Amino acid sequence: AQKVTQAQTEISVVEKEDVTLDCVYETRDTTYYLFWYKQPPSGELVFLIRRNSFDEQNEISGRYSWNFQKSTSSFNFTITASQVVDSAVYFCALSDGTGGFKTIFGAGTRLFVKA
Amino acid sequence: EAGVTQSPTHLIKTRGQQATLRCSPISGHTSVYWYQQALGLGLQFLLWYDEGEERNRGNFPPRFSGRQFPNYSSELNVNALELEDSALYLCASSFQGYTEAFFGQGTRLTVV
Repeated sequence: AQKVTQAQTEISVVEKEDVTLDCVYETRDTTYYLFWYKQPPSGELVFLIRRNSFDEQNEISGRYSWNFQKSTSSFNFTITASQVVDSAVYFCALSDGTGGFKTIFGAGTRLFVKA
Repeated sequence: EAGVTQSPTHLIKTRGQQATLRCSPISGHTSVYWYQQALGLGLQFLLWYDEGEERNRGNFPPRFSGRQFPNYSSELNVNALELEDSALYLCASSFQGYTEAFFGQGTRLTVV
């Protein structure tokens, strides 16, 4: 069975601090996809990144970076120089490779960035 | 380009009533997915529609149903509402078979 664990329920940082959100997943599939979504107070889930199981390259997008390690089944997300606007709930998600968006989500990590 | 749109934004119903939620996908997307985000339960997959057919269903009772119209928009119907159905219902859309989806802003259903 597939499972996504986000052990950090809430994280509070001061603006400009770096913060890493952890994600550990379980799957027996060899082909799968991992995602990160951001949910601001407005409620909409904002897509941040998709990574497939065959691509372990780390990725950087502005202040965001992702570290995918199959050996530890982890897909961690780092925000560098955090800003107040980064305050949101962040979800890690896992989808199998059979097509479509049949995805399971982690419980989410609520990030508070204080000015 | 318009994103995924959902209506209504908020909905208040009485226990036992029926609720209908609507979703319009991004233009060109043929797949629509419904998720329930209840307090303390996280995001739970409800339904997946593609080309007018139900492709997959999460672990929800039959009183949760829906359909997809020829223009790929979708309705989610919840019959015999229970207090525990109070949640944010999120719709997402994708190209057919794609494993990447984009979400709407959700409908917050409150059952009293």
